[in-house]
Amino acid sequence: EVQLVQSGAEVKKPGESLKISCKGSGYSFTSYWIGWVRQMPGKGLEWMGIIYPGDSDTRYSPSFQGQVTISADKSISTAYLQWSSLKASDTAMYYCARLPSAMANFDYWGQGTLVTVSS
Amino acid sequence: QSALTQPRSVSGSPGQSVTISCTGTSSDVGGYNYVSWYQQHPGKAPKLMIYDVSKRPSGVPDRFSGSKSGNTASLTISGLQAEDEADYYCCSYAGSYTFRVFGGGTKLTVL
Repeated sequence: EVQLVQSGAEVKKPGESLKISCKGSGYSFTSYWIGWVRQMPGKGLEWMGIIYPGDSDTRYSPSFQGQVTISADKSISTAYLQWSSLKASDTAMYYCARLPSAMANFDYWGQGTLVTVSS
Repeated sequence: QSALTQPRSVSGSPGQSVTISCTGTSSDVGGYNYVSWYQQHPGKAPKLMIYDVSKRPSGVPDRFSGSKSGNTASLTISGLQAEDEADYYCCSYAGSYTFRVFGGGTKLTVL
């Protein structure tokens, strides 16, 4: 069974750094892309970027380029999304999801990680 | 990058059919057959319902169907059931720079 299990909810202060994770299981982690999707409170889905764990090829949405860093550790089948300096506007639910190819759909989703940034 | 345009809300009675539209441009919806649709119930993760414009993943009822004409994709749900009440999002590949874009989402109410 394909599963993506994300790390738990986080509460941070503005300016702090953060790295959240997404662990894949039940499939060949290095053969599929992993993407990250933001959902701000009461809002829609926004694509942030994708990574191919096999070779760490990474593509970012122009809206998120330079704002976050996506990485992966294939030895532990885990992808990451990180911020170096959080802002209050980063408060959102973040989902990871698997993609069969860089152009394709998100076929399996993680349960989401709620990030709250507040002073 | 502008989101794909979806109606804010649609509604229908049990047993009826509803169609949700998703309008983009020739750079996304009209240019590629990589349109997908996701269902999201409150407090839950999205779920893939349609991919590659009209294909259904295993386990998705055949009441759900997808199509595309020009720059507009559509999701049709026939034989509406109470459990279909949810938010629905379309998504399209948008080329090697933007890569992909989501619609703003449509809230489906089953009356």
